[in-house]
This record gives sequence, C-alpha cells and structure tokens, in this order.
Amino acid sequence: EPEVTQTPSHQVTQMGQEVILRCVPISNHLYFYWYRQILGQKVEFLVSFYNNEISEKSEIFDDQFSVERPDGSNFTLKIRSTKLEDSAMYFCASSEEAGGDGKLFFGSGTQLSVL
Amino acid sequence: AQSVAQPEDQVNVAEGNPLTVKCTYSVSGNPYLFWYVQYPNRGLQFLLKYITGDNLVKGSYGFEAEFNKSQTSFHLKKPSALVSDSALYFCAVRDISDYKLSFGAGTTVTVRA
Repeated sequence: EPEVTQTPSHQVTQMGQEVILRCVPISNHLYFYWYRQILGQKVEFLVSFYNNEISEKSEIFDDQFSVERPDGSNFTLKIRSTKLEDSAMYFCASSEEAGGDGKLFFGSGTQLSVL
Repeated sequence: AQSVAQPEDQVNVAEGNPLTVKCTYSVSGNPYLFWYVQYPNRGLQFLLKYITGDNLVKGSYGFEAEFNKSQTSFHLKKPSALVSDSALYFCAVRDISDYKLSFGAGTTVTVRA
C-alpha cells in the first residue's frame, strides 16, 4: 500500500529556532493535512491544504506556523520561532478526496522536542 | 462543533475473548465516523468508516463497528482478539461540510496471551 513519508523522525531544537518538518504525500492525492499530538493528549488538527492554499486551519495554527508545497511532491510545515509547548508528535496526512468520507493516510510522524 | 469521546484510556482482554472499544460523538449534522489504529513507531492506520447505509461496518483485521444514532455511539468490536491487536485506537468524526477530522483521546488496547 502507498505510504506517506515524513522526515525527520525526531527533531530536537532550541526554543526560538525555526524548524521545518517535511512530508511526502501519496502521489495522486490532492488534499494535505498536518495534525499534532502532545504527549498524553488528543490528536489535534492543525491545517488542511488544497490547490496550493490553506483550506482550513485551527486556532493552534497561528502566525508562527506556515505550510508550503514547494515542488509538487513535498509538503512542509514550518514553525518560525519554536516554543516549549510546540513539543509534540506531528503527523502529516493526505487524501484523494476532501472532507466527507475521504480516507486519510497518515505518516509515521515527526517527534519534535523543543528545549 | 464536532467532538469525540473515548471513555476508556485502557482496555485489557485475554486473547480469544471479545474486544470492544467505546466511542461516542457529537456533531451538528450527519456524521462521518472513522476508526484508526496506531502501532508503536507507526502512523495512524485506517481501520474502517461509517458514511451511510448499514449500521454495522466491517473493516481491516477482522474489526467491525456499529453505528448507533440514538446513542450517538460508534463502538469498535472484534469477536476474538489477538495479541497482535495490542495498539492505540482512535475514533474520529467529521462533519459532512468539514475538511478536518476530530479525534478522540485514544484507547490503549492490551491483549494478553
């Protein structure tokens, strides 16, 4: 079965530094998402992306966050100035269809630790 | 706003016994309901979904789930659990007009031999 791949699997950074989390969605998918899971808490929606623009974002996704699809294959999440509370597992996902019954395919995640 | 509740943090069963993981949901319109499973060091994997039609849906690895509109529940079931079913299970809901999935907090299932 095709997979969503995420790199790196672990990222350690200092507070205030910029990080870029990378994802390669499944090749024929058109809709892309970032979710995150703080240790012991729910998986939370961050942002959805379609046709080179954000289609929906949560309250978590403030001005420190941005997403980009720079080259037609990668999908990146940038955190401009990391805070301690950004430490979490970040999951990328993609789907063929938007909303409704569209099944999401998730990557294995990037564990971000902000020190 | 849509939300999901998984009332049990952990479920422990013996291999060969039935397994049930509970989920209740809240959504303004008709719900699209999903179950995902997460094995250690892996991403969330799709198990099954309810969109419309038959209230009992069958999914991967012998799992099934029953949609109950009156109780706003979507419990995951397996008639005979295996040790390899030990994992973290997430229920999720999406409103018909929404892009995002809202996940429950997850239930850790441990199946002992």
